[in-house]
Amino acid sequence: QKEVEQDPGPLSVPEGAIVSLNCTYSNSAFQYFMWYRQYSRKGPELLMYTYSSGNKEDGRFTAQVDKSSKYISLFIRDSQPSDSATYLCAMTMTSGTYKYIFGTGTRLKVLA
Amino acid sequence: GAGVSQSPSNKVTEKGKDVELRCDPISGHTALYWYRQSLGQGLEFLIYFQGNSAPDKSGLPSDRFSAERTGGSVSTLTIQRTQQEDSAVYLCASSLVLASGGTGELFFGEGSRLTVL
Repeated sequence: QKEVEQDPGPLSVPEGAIVSLNCTYSNSAFQYFMWYRQYSRKGPELLMYTYSSGNKEDGRFTAQVDKSSKYISLFIRDSQPSDSATYLCAMTMTSGTYKYIFGTGTRLKVLA
Repeated sequence: GAGVSQSPSNKVTEKGKDVELRCDPISGHTALYWYRQSLGQGLEFLIYFQGNSAPDKSGLPSDRFSAERTGGSVSTLTIQRTQQEDSAVYLCASSLVLASGGTGELFFGEGSRLTVL
């Protein structure tokens, strides 16, 4: 079993839809959670990060962490064609080795 | 520089040859990471540097892979006797570690695309 599981998609939605992307993990020592966006042939770039359970909102994006279920989510409201990309979750511990473990990424396509 | 720089951006080599991939991190970033991304796959951790030392190199797939970092800056990933399964995009990232007050954000380069024929 991988430490971090993520549905690879692809996921196609119409413009304006609400998108839900999810990851599950098995290591309860993970404390720091991130979502990265990767456009084709580019390096990933950070969208959001959070240290704790609960919700964090930034514009059209909301990150949600449920440590009791070992489950994290990213919601995108009013999705736009420019949101079409691969979304990767990542996580790490906050002490010891700072090795970031990534999910496989979910490929999202927002149709105009 | 302004961002993480990787070279070469593309490399085609023959099976059995050695290759070197270079990463120039953001100035002042103490942590440096190497990841491998194969087609349709996520980022596979290879090695992590803090300064010039590598506290975690558990992801290096075999003894054909090695990496070093000098002067707390530039890093080189070397693959000896390349195999076709080594074909992938090799991504480098740098950051200020969480313990030093950084956000822990990884800043990625655009990758070195390796094709082994």
